[in-house]
Amino acid sequence: QVQLVQSGAEAKKPGASVKVSCQASGYNFIAYYMHWVRQAPGQGLEWVGWINPRTGDTGSAQKFQGRVTMTRDTSINTAYIELSSLRSDDTAIYYCARFESKWELFCFDYWGQGSLVTVSS
Amino acid sequence: DIQLTQSPSFLSASVGDRVTITCRANQDISSYLAWYQQKPGKAPKLLIYAASTLQSGVPSRFSGSGSGTEFTLTVSSLQPEDFATYYCQQLNHYTWTFGQGTKVEIK
Repeated sequence: QVQLVQSGAEAKKPGASVKVSCQASGYNFIAYYMHWVRQAPGQGLEWVGWINPRTGDTGSAQKFQGRVTMTRDTSINTAYIELSSLRSDDTAIYYCARFESKWELFCFDYWGQGSLVTVSS
Repeated sequence: DIQLTQSPSFLSASVGDRVTITCRANQDISSYLAWYQQKPGKAPKLLIYAASTLQSGVPSRFSGSGSGTEFTLTVSSLQPEDFATYYCQQLNHYTWTFGQGTKVEIK
C-alpha cells in the first residue's frame, strides 16, 4: 500500500534552515510528482511547491521562491524540502502529498503524516 | 492568481442532516477541483476529485458537483464521524490553491 512517512518534529531559531524528508513506499516513486503543503497552527492549508522525482524539476509558490529548495534521492525513494531564513510565521506542519494526474483527474491522493517545524528564539 | 472562497466558514448540524458546502473560484477552473476532509491532528484525506468523482473507500453519502466557478460538496446524511474541516482545492494552470476551509460541528 502507498505510504508517505515524514521525518520528525524540528525546533529552529529565526534565520536558520530546516530540512524535512518524506519517504515513499508502495508505488513507483519516480512516476508521481510530490507536492508540499503547510498548515500554520489553527490555520488552513497552504500550497508550498512540487518536485518531479524523475527529473528533479521543481516549482514553488511565489512567496517561497528564493527560500525553498526541494530535492529527492531516488535511491531511497525520498523527497526533501528545505526552507531557509526561517521566521516565526514559518511555524507550521509541513505535509508531503503525492500528485495523481492520470487522465487529467488531478488530486493529492496520499499524504504524509506531517512534520511540525517550530521557529522560535 | 486563482482564489477559492468557501461558504460557510463554519456550520453546526445534527446527525442525519443534509449538509452542503460551496466553493467559488474567481476564474474558470473547469472541473479541476478536489475536496478534502481533515480531522484534528490528522493529515487531510481526499474525498472527491475532478469535482464529482468519489475517491475509492469514501462513503457514498459524500458527493460533489459543479464546474467552471461554482462547486458544492454535499453530505446526504451527516454522521458523527463527519465532524471535521473540509477544504476545496483547485488544480488548474499549474497552481494548487486551497479554500480557507469549512468547519463542520455536530450539534
